[in-house]
Amino acid sequence: QVQLVESGGDLVKPGGSLSLSCAASEFNFNDFYMSWIRQAPGKGLEWISYISGSGHAIYYADSVKGRFTISRDNAKNSLYLQMNYLRADDTAMYYCARSATSYYYYAFDVWGQGTTVTVSS
Amino acid sequence: SSELTQDPAVSVALGQTVRITCQGDSFRNYYPSWYQQKPGQAPLLVIYGNNARPSGIPNRFSGSSSGNTASLTITGAQAEDEADYYCNSRDSSGNLVVFGEGTKLTVL
Repeated sequence: QVQLVESGGDLVKPGGSLSLSCAASEFNFNDFYMSWIRQAPGKGLEWISYISGSGHAIYYADSVKGRFTISRDNAKNSLYLQMNYLRADDTAMYYCARSATSYYYYAFDVWGQGTTVTVSS
Repeated sequence: SSELTQDPAVSVALGQTVRITCQGDSFRNYYPSWYQQKPGQAPLLVIYGNNARPSGIPNRFSGSSSGNTASLTITGAQAEDEADYYCNSRDSSGNLVVFGEGTKLTVL
């Protein structure tokens, strides 16, 4: 079935870097926009970035712009998130999600189970 | 801070109808989407676009919007509907994405 599996979450010190991966299966990966969404412990959902199917369109939330980089490898059906200059408030569960979009809406119709990033000294 | 505002908590008696709302200027131009999240689970899309339900979502879930307010209605709430519910939309620019803060639904 359609599936997304994240990996790469870890404990990292403030100022450090971490790279997350998301492996997609059972759908035409390059046809879909993909996103990263995070959820701090006990808090709500926060969209942080999306990338178009071709990789040409990329947007970030202000909270991560300049520190995080989203990318994809369509040959490997994989989505990535490079996180630099990590801060304590980046501590969260990070979800990879498939985007269902049109001009009139932006929805996330398939989610992974998430990978945990903890930023602490 | 989020551009979408939700009530923190709502309750409903078993079998009754409940409406969860989400306010934001982006709804004047864009449709909302709604997600259900149960403890320890990833969110699940329940409504998107112009009141569309993904496959497998019960028809007791419906969505609407008017002006700057979007609503998720559960008609005949079940015990398994107890969860956190989040709205989302494109932001006012159309390029970014925003979520509401979430509403905790309790089924009494």
